[in-house]
Amino acid sequence: NAGVMQNPRHLVRRRGQEARLRCSPMKGHSHVYWYRQLPEEGLKFMVYLQKENIIDESGMPKERFSAEFPKEGPSILRIQQVVRGDSAAYFCASSLRTGGSSYNEQFFGPGTRLTVL
Amino acid sequence: EDQVTQSPEALRLQEGESSSLNCSYTVSGLRGLFWYRQDPGKGPEFLFTLYSAGEEKEKERLKATLTKKESFLHITAPKPEDSATYLCAVQADGGATNKLIFGTGTLLAVQP
Repeated sequence: NAGVMQNPRHLVRRRGQEARLRCSPMKGHSHVYWYRQLPEEGLKFMVYLQKENIIDESGMPKERFSAEFPKEGPSILRIQQVVRGDSAAYFCASSLRTGGSSYNEQFFGPGTRLTVL
Repeated sequence: EDQVTQSPEALRLQEGESSSLNCSYTVSGLRGLFWYRQDPGKGPEFLFTLYSAGEEKEKERLKATLTKKESFLHITAPKPEDSATYLCAVQADGGATNKLIFGTGTLLAVQP
């Protein structure tokens, strides 16, 4: 049973370019979350999506960042016109369900490490 | 504001030397408290979820406990392979969000 998959694992972009990060949740999971881990900082929530819907984007910067989880295919986190401050590890997680149950557990992928030159 | 504080920031143990990691939290209503392990360059690996005060869970040399204000991760007779960063996170009750609020972690080093 494959876990959460993310690609690419490493991504290098120059300032002003676009970065696209992809996440395939665990089989059967329909809830996807994106988190960012800046150097020397903890994991910070960015956005929570279900198929074709953004449920909570309270942690997403208002500009340049967007996320989607289409009916078919992986979830995409898109960063337009990247700046050096966007350099970080971006993690995707998925869960089977929500609410106070064991199916609420979030399982993380290996992350995409974005470097902006 | 919901908040998670972990202590100590770093801990060095000798192999076999038991100890505990602390996670203090402030949350409007607790839906769940989560423990993860993270190795360098990898994603967090799920360990435990605790839902109510008094609950305990065990896995090999690890045991997690929960009170109304904090959680402890007890490590019994650790081995070098237990070296990692241990992350604590809370999920608040109410609303549609399922976001996890993480602490900054405890970096554990177990020396042979």
